[in-house]
Amino acid sequence: GAGVSQSPSNKVTEKGKDVELRCDPISGHTALYWYRQSLGQGLEFLIYFQGNSAPDKSGLPSDRFSAERTGGSVSTLTIQRTQQEDSAVYLCASSLSLGGQVTQYFGPGTRLTVL
Amino acid sequence: TQLLEQSPQFLSIQEGENLTVYCNSSSVFSSLQWYRQEPGEGPVLLVTVVTGGEVKKLKRLTFQFGDARKDSSLHITAAQPGDTGLYLCAANQTGANNLFFGTGTRLTVIP
Repeated sequence: GAGVSQSPSNKVTEKGKDVELRCDPISGHTALYWYRQSLGQGLEFLIYFQGNSAPDKSGLPSDRFSAERTGGSVSTLTIQRTQQEDSAVYLCASSLSLGGQVTQYFGPGTRLTVL
Repeated sequence: TQLLEQSPQFLSIQEGENLTVYCNSSSVFSSLQWYRQEPGEGPVLLVTVVTGGEVKKLKRLTFQFGDARKDSSLHITAAQPGDTGLYLCAANQTGANNLFFGTGTRLTVIP
């Protein structure tokens, strides 16, 4: 399909290990967002990319979290030295452009469990 | 501090009943969106409201944006089991590009 895809769908890791989560946005979408959804909570904004501009990292909870977007397409969210409180569903979304009124298309998420 | 508060947090009703869920804030927003999320999937946009007092209808769903653009409601008429899901409101403050999401209302419609 032509939707946003994320991999892996599930990831179980041990505390202290590093993990990489991948997002493939819809082709042609210039904006890409990462969110975190903890159990019983709404979505928490982490970071967004728009074209070749510097990303807005204001939502990243600590310096253990980083993300990159290569070639304006695929993005990778990296969590170093994972902690149990990092357990959540990590959602990626893309949109044609930036702005609160544009439609964001979400992927199915990666469920991360830190033991 | 949660920017957007949704109520109720959980709602379980019988098929055919009507319901309203609310999204409230003390902040003013330039736009507000409602999403529905089903298990194992990402949220899907239902509607965007922009103007204070705006009402939009999507089949049996009616969305309203408060006059002061601080709150919104979603009313479902004659709920169906297919309406079951997590309903999320999300808002954008003027000049910001990211969305703030509410805590969500988990709706279960019992056949």
